[in-house]
Amino acid sequence: TQLLEQSPQFLSIQEGENLTVYCNSSSVFSSLQWYRQEPGEGPVLLVTVVTGGEVKKLKRLTFQFGDARKDSSLHITAAQPGDTGLYLCAGDFTSSNTGKLIFGQGTTLQVKP
Amino acid sequence: GAVVSQHPSWVICKSGTSVKIECRSLDFQATTMFWYRQFPKQSLMLMATSNEGSKATYEQGVEKDKFLINHASLTLSTLTVTSAHPEDSSFYICSASVGYSNQPQHFGDGTRLSIL
Repeated sequence: TQLLEQSPQFLSIQEGENLTVYCNSSSVFSSLQWYRQEPGEGPVLLVTVVTGGEVKKLKRLTFQFGDARKDSSLHITAAQPGDTGLYLCAGDFTSSNTGKLIFGQGTTLQVKP
Repeated sequence: GAVVSQHPSWVICKSGTSVKIECRSLDFQATTMFWYRQFPKQSLMLMATSNEGSKATYEQGVEKDKFLINHASLTLSTLTVTSAHPEDSSFYICSASVGYSNQPQHFGDGTRLSIL
């Protein structure tokens, strides 16, 4: 069974602080996607990482894909209240050729002003 | 681009009613659509994978006779919750994809189902 361990599950920080969310698996991903979801809405794609060691930046968000393609991280610099939401990592494993994703448990982030 | 529309966004109905939820890809052809269920402050739980023109593949523990899925065209999939009961109350989300590995899924805005 392919599992994706995401941590931490809950995070409450003050505006301006930095944070990192981790996503780990014992299996190799062919790609990994990060989504952000607000209450009552569907997840919105932030980034897709495909290449081992890849780093992508989206404004204050930095995404890394591990060299072995088994782990990924999301780092937010100087968090703002607008960053509040549920962050989800989702892996597309090499054994799947259907686009089916395995989701992590999610990280609920609260940024206090 | 890659807009997915899900309808209705909110349903409240009596126990025993069957409820149909529609998922449409508005600007692309979705070979594959996925149906998820989500509980408050939790992650998405995949219920089934739906390919156009073929039977859906259900995840372990999901009753296929309870959750009927039809994917009749490349832009429309439907989920019907048959004879719904209060324990079926949840947030249901669909996503659409071109169906190949490494391609992102594009999500609808979900349907909040409340069974009284």
